[in-house]
Amino acid sequence: EVHLVETGGGLIQPGGSLRLSCAASGLSISANYMAWVRQVPGKGLEWVSAIFNGANTSYVDSVKGRFTISRDNSKNTLYLQMNSLRAEDTAVYYCAATLRWLNFDNWGQGILVTVSS
Amino acid sequence: EIILTQSPATLSVSLGERATLSCRASQTVPKQLAWYQQKPGQAPRLLIYGISTRPTDIPARFSGSGSGTEFTLTISSLQSEDFAVYYCQQYKIWPLTFGGGTKVEIK
Repeated sequence: EVHLVETGGGLIQPGGSLRLSCAASGLSISANYMAWVRQVPGKGLEWVSAIFNGANTSYVDSVKGRFTISRDNSKNTLYLQMNSLRAEDTAVYYCAATLRWLNFDNWGQGILVTVSS
Repeated sequence: EIILTQSPATLSVSLGERATLSCRASQTVPKQLAWYQQKPGQAPRLLIYGISTRPTDIPARFSGSGSGTEFTLTISSLQSEDFAVYYCQQYKIWPLTFGGGTKVEIK
C-alpha cells in the first residue's frame, strides 16, 4: 500500500522560509513523477512544482525563484524548499506521485502552510 | 497556459440520477486530460486519465469522454458517496492546470 506523508508545515511570517517533506512508502520516488499541488482552504487546486526524468524540474510562475523541489532517493523523500514566503502562499500543500506522465494517482493527506504576521 | 473552465459550478442531482460535468480547454488537449474527485478534508482521487481511461479501482459508473477542447465526466447513476467536488486537469503543457471545479450536491 502506498503512503505519502507530508511534514514541515505550520505558521510562518511573510518573507520566511519553510521546507516541506514528503516521505514515501510503498513506491519508489525515483521511479515516479513527483509533484506538489496546493489548495487554499475552500478553493480549487493549483499545481506548484514537479520533478521528473531524474532531476528535471518545473514550477508555476508564481513560485519560480522562490521554491525549489528536490528529492533524496536514498530516503525516498520529496522536498519543497519555500523561501520568501508570501501571504498568498497560504494553502494546504499536497505531495503527489504517478508512474504515468503527470496525472496523479497517489496523494498525501496534505499539510497546511500559513503565512501571516 | 491552458485555462480549463468547468461548468456548472454546482450541480444538484438526486440519488440514482445521471450527472454530466463539463470541462472546456482554452487550447486543444489531444489526450492529456484527467478528472479527480475530492471530498471535504480529503486529498483528490484520480478518476479518469487520458480523457477516458479509468484506473482499475474506479467504479464503472464514472466515464470520461470528449476531444479537442470539450470534455465530459459522466456519473451514470449517482451514489451517496459521489457527492463531492470534481476537477479536470490538463497535463499536455506546462504549467499543469486544473479547472475551477464542479460541486455535485444532493438535490
